[in-house]
Amino acid sequence: RKEVEQDPGPFNVPEGATVAFNCTYSNSASQSFFWYRQDCRKEPKLLMSVYSSGNEDGRFTAQLNRASQYISLLIRDSKLSDSATYLCVVNMGSWIIFGKGTRLHILP
Amino acid sequence: DAGVIQSPRHEVTEMGQEVTLRCKPISGHNSLFWYRQTMMRGLELLIYFNNNVPIDDSGMPEDRFSAKMPNASFSTLKIQPSEPRDSAVYFCASSGTGNNQPQHFGDGTRLSIL
Repeated sequence: RKEVEQDPGPFNVPEGATVAFNCTYSNSASQSFFWYRQDCRKEPKLLMSVYSSGNEDGRFTAQLNRASQYISLLIRDSKLSDSATYLCVVNMGSWIIFGKGTRLHILP
Repeated sequence: DAGVIQSPRHEVTEMGQEVTLRCKPISGHNSLFWYRQTMMRGLELLIYFNNNVPIDDSGMPEDRFSAKMPNASFSTLKIQPSEPRDSAVYFCASSGTGNNQPQHFGDGTRLSIL
């Protein structure tokens, strides 16, 4: 099965800054995409779905680039509570692959 | 509204023992997924069910692993015999029908095989 790749980080970012990370996927037949957030020793939780036209939820913006086969997540005005691991998810219809996650540390 | 419920939360057992993990999906969800998470390999899909039927179990690492879903509200993942390398966090997740439906995860079972 094709892979989903993420920069593992960690990204150390000062509070209030903007941070962005990408996730690349290799299967062009991938159908749907999501960003999940996972806190230490907790379960993954849905952050947002990623739509073809791009979508925004408060300080979070997700983008999909099918031509280059990547999705991105942008966090504006970062908060200490944004510190977590961010997992991208690719649903290929017949299988689901999670990226290994990008660790984000927001520094006070 | 209850989320996905997994039990036990933690299990420590000796190698060679049978381990059974349990999951109750969210009511009304048609799809159920079993994952394993380790530091080295990340979150891996083991098997998933649609309407109680196993659709793809190609992620199951070996014949020692088996999963069942006897009804819409209950699933088990069994390891027999267990080995130390099976130590991981095992998550169950459920979703509605359709590829655009996000998955909702249980709290996971932390399994340690000594």
